[in-house]
Amino acid sequence: SYVLTQPPSLSVAPGQTATIICGGTNIGSKSVHWYQQKPGQAPVLVVFDDNDRPSGIPERFSGSNSANTATLTISRVEAGDEADYYCQVWDSNSDHQGVFGTGTTVTVL
Amino acid sequence: QLQLQESGPGLVKPSETLSLTCTVSGGSISSSGYYWGWIRQPPGKGLEWIGSMYYNGNTYYTPSLKSRVTISVDTSKNQFSLSLRSVTAADTAVYYCARVGGTATIRWLDSWGQGSLVTVAS
Repeated sequence: SYVLTQPPSLSVAPGQTATIICGGTNIGSKSVHWYQQKPGQAPVLVVFDDNDRPSGIPERFSGSNSANTATLTISRVEAGDEADYYCQVWDSNSDHQGVFGTGTTVTVL
Repeated sequence: QLQLQESGPGLVKPSETLSLTCTVSGGSISSSGYYWGWIRQPPGKGLEWIGSMYYNGNTYYTPSLKSRVTISVDTSKNQFSLSLRSVTAADTAVYYCARVGGTATIRWLDSWGQGSLVTVAS
């Protein structure tokens, strides 16, 4: 099955930019979605289809996807952005399954 | 606004069957184009896709759980359910239900339930 790899953790100072990567073989040919999960809460979709945002998600959240790496960028990081972030793709070649990345914990210093 | 709510026992004995129901409000489970899915998250770990279904009964399960999982729908109650047989401690997790939006080849989870912790222990 398809594998998505993320770095376990990332630290960033307030006001700076957080760049969260998601690696997968030829991931650039797929559509990537990103979720934010704060402690004790359900995940929330923050980016879908590589770089679209659901209503209510700040423009500070953006995505890109090329070759073997997809990226979620959080600009002007705030304390409230501290959370776990997961990437996800849809593997239509394998029983129509969703596949999640391993997750990255973002700490705001 | 669409809302999903999981319900079911919080404690299940080893070798028994875990059963959860997701009640959908603010929208119809029979809405064209949407699938409905189950995801789980063991304590302190990442997200795992369990499976999804369409309101007409078509179901898709992750290969590692396929032999033990059944997802079913009750359109009259606007609910869908998860059944996981022969559970072990490794099945202890928070179980989430969610709506699967997108297209036939590009799907994402656009609305989630709050999650239900199920512990497998004797």
